[in-house]
Amino acid sequence: KAGVTQTPRYLIKTRGQQVTLSCSPISGHRSVSWYQQTPGQGLQFLFEYFSETQRNKGNFPGRFSGRQFSNSRSEMNVSTLELGDSALYLCASRGTGLETQYFGPGTRLLVL
Amino acid sequence: QQPVQSPQAVILREGEDAVINCSSSKALYSVHWYRQKHGEAPVFLMILLKGGEQKGHEKISASFNEKKQQSSLYLTASQLSYSGTYFCGTAAPSGSARQLTFGSGTQLTVLP
Repeated sequence: KAGVTQTPRYLIKTRGQQVTLSCSPISGHRSVSWYQQTPGQGLQFLFEYFSETQRNKGNFPGRFSGRQFSNSRSEMNVSTLELGDSALYLCASRGTGLETQYFGPGTRLLVL
Repeated sequence: QQPVQSPQAVILREGEDAVINCSSSKALYSVHWYRQKHGEAPVFLMILLKGGEQKGHEKISASFNEKKQQSSLYLTASQLSYSGTYFCGTAAPSGSARQLTFGSGTQLTVLP
């Protein structure tokens, strides 16, 4: 099976812009979680989607939002970018009824 | 609340053993271990579920003490390829949603 894919892999934006990141889970997986990784804060949970519904949300401002499509692909959007949003954004997919989360390669976002 | 990992860093020679600990102040449903190499995504190593057995994968094994909410990762006869940052991710019992809360990581360096 193909692994989790994320696009784009690298992104440079300026403050105030918005960005959309995409994640395609492992075939058959319906749960997609998003995480932010920074040197200072480590790996932090953003939100989890299952069957197009947000099931869980971390402690991030409303500028961070997401959605999931009927084919389980998920997008994450960050509006009004701030310098502190520079990070590696990882998505992880999980099979229904299973516990293991498999990470994609991530999207490295740099906000200038 | 973030689980506490110890040690923060460890340097080994090839063939030596190491133990990485992960401790949580909250009741846990599962503990997930990942290894991340610089510039790459976290790679799943193993998962320990409440009520489950000690897991093993080649020369890497782990245990989960449910009463103490602690998990330990054991690396025996370490190889150069074991170098990287090890993260434990913990999940609390919360229905079907699975939010992983990660420790700050343990940087493992294996020298020849």
